[in-house]
Amino acid sequence: DAGVIQSPRHEVTEMGQEVTLRCKPISGHNSLFWYRQTMMRGLELLIYFNNNVPIDDSGMPEDRFSAKMPNASFSTLKIQPSEPRDSAVYFCASSPTRRRAKPSNYGYTFGSGTRLTVV
Amino acid sequence: KNEVEQSPQNLTAQEGEFITINCSYSVGISALHWLQQHPGGGIVSLFMLSSGKKKHGRLIATINIQEKHSSLHITASHPRDSAVYICAVSFQGAQKLVFGQGTRLTINP
Repeated sequence: DAGVIQSPRHEVTEMGQEVTLRCKPISGHNSLFWYRQTMMRGLELLIYFNNNVPIDDSGMPEDRFSAKMPNASFSTLKIQPSEPRDSAVYFCASSPTRRRAKPSNYGYTFGSGTRLTVV
Repeated sequence: KNEVEQSPQNLTAQEGEFITINCSYSVGISALHWLQQHPGGGIVSLFMLSSGKKKHGRLIATINIQEKHSSLHITASHPRDSAVYICAVSFQGAQKLVFGQGTRLTINP
């Protein structure tokens, strides 16, 4: 398995532009998470999906952020318009849904992250 | 106050030393994770545990549910163990992770 695949690895964009981050979870994992990491705040959950349905989006900063999961193998996180304070590393992670997984397989797998710089 | 507290925030040691990183949390959890992040790198899940102890190579993770405390130990530490180690928990009834602030470990040769 190639693991959780994120693209792009790096993105530099100008303030006001639309940014789309992409994630392909591990096949068979029913839960997908978007996290953001900054120096000031560390790692924070933005949103997560179970079976393609958004469950908790309380971490989404504001209306400029939106996330979709149109199918089990793909998710996007969009920022429109982007601002310099959105600069961070955005991680996608997936895990099996607990009731379907053996306890030893509950663990998370993180993608390599997308380093976003908004100038 | 963070729901997940790690200590120490920074730790520098000599190669070969025994390392302990601690994590405390505030309320009942369904699972606790130890994660490793190398500088500029991705996040790797080291352990997920809900009770007892797990061992993988030179790494050992323990958890005491009653005391709401977990420790990550590294035996015979090596410079390649230098990384940020992050404790994260999923609270009961929730799947999302809540993270500690991380412990930056530096092992000098």
